[in-house]
Amino acid sequence: AQRVTQPEKLLSVFKGAPVELKCNYSYSGSPELFWYVQYSRQRLQLLLRHISRESIKGFTADLNKGETSFHLKKPFAQEEDSAMYYCALKAPGGGADGLTFGKGTHLIIQP
Amino acid sequence: IAGITQAPTSQILAAGRRMTLRCTQDMRHNAMYWYRQDLGLGLRLIHYSNTAGTTGKGEVPDGYSVSRANTDDFPLTLASAVPSQTSVYFCASSPREGGGTGELFFGEGSRLTVL
Repeated sequence: AQRVTQPEKLLSVFKGAPVELKCNYSYSGSPELFWYVQYSRQRLQLLLRHISRESIKGFTADLNKGETSFHLKKPFAQEEDSAMYYCALKAPGGGADGLTFGKGTHLIIQP
Repeated sequence: IAGITQAPTSQILAAGRRMTLRCTQDMRHNAMYWYRQDLGLGLRLIHYSNTAGTTGKGEVPDGYSVSRANTDDFPLTLASAVPSQTSVYFCASSPREGGGTGELFFGEGSRLTVL
């Protein structure tokens, strides 16, 4: 069974400091990994996907198959980054039930 | 604005009562999902539907039922609400089954409190 683990329920950093939100997964094949974000009073939305290898709002995430990790990073945190972040996994070509989400990490950026 | 609409936004319900949370999308997406969001537990899938006329059970289906009579609507029913069903419920959709490209489109959520 596939599983996504986000070890930190809460992460608090100061503005301008680097941020790393950890995500580890358990899956026997080659999954697709995603980061979703939920800002206060807003809908949950896709932030980035590993296939795209993109940087969104300064965030990047690299899939490390050896460590089965997909950590989300940003070199300089901004106050508007405060939000709930969810790592999610999708089994390629299958998995009728869509995405498996981690338990989420609440990121607080202190001024 | 196109997207997913959920109703009600918030509801307080007595235990034992029946409740239906409504979800409508206008994007003609095939797949739809219901998640519940609980502090410390994250998002957990309740039920899903990959196309009109079909539904499937997710991780936490007990106490909930769904129907998918057409493409646009995917209501979630609590037949007899219990306090442990106090949660925020999110409806989501995807163009294709299995989560498609991995991008799910979410509604704004329905906050349900069962007393």
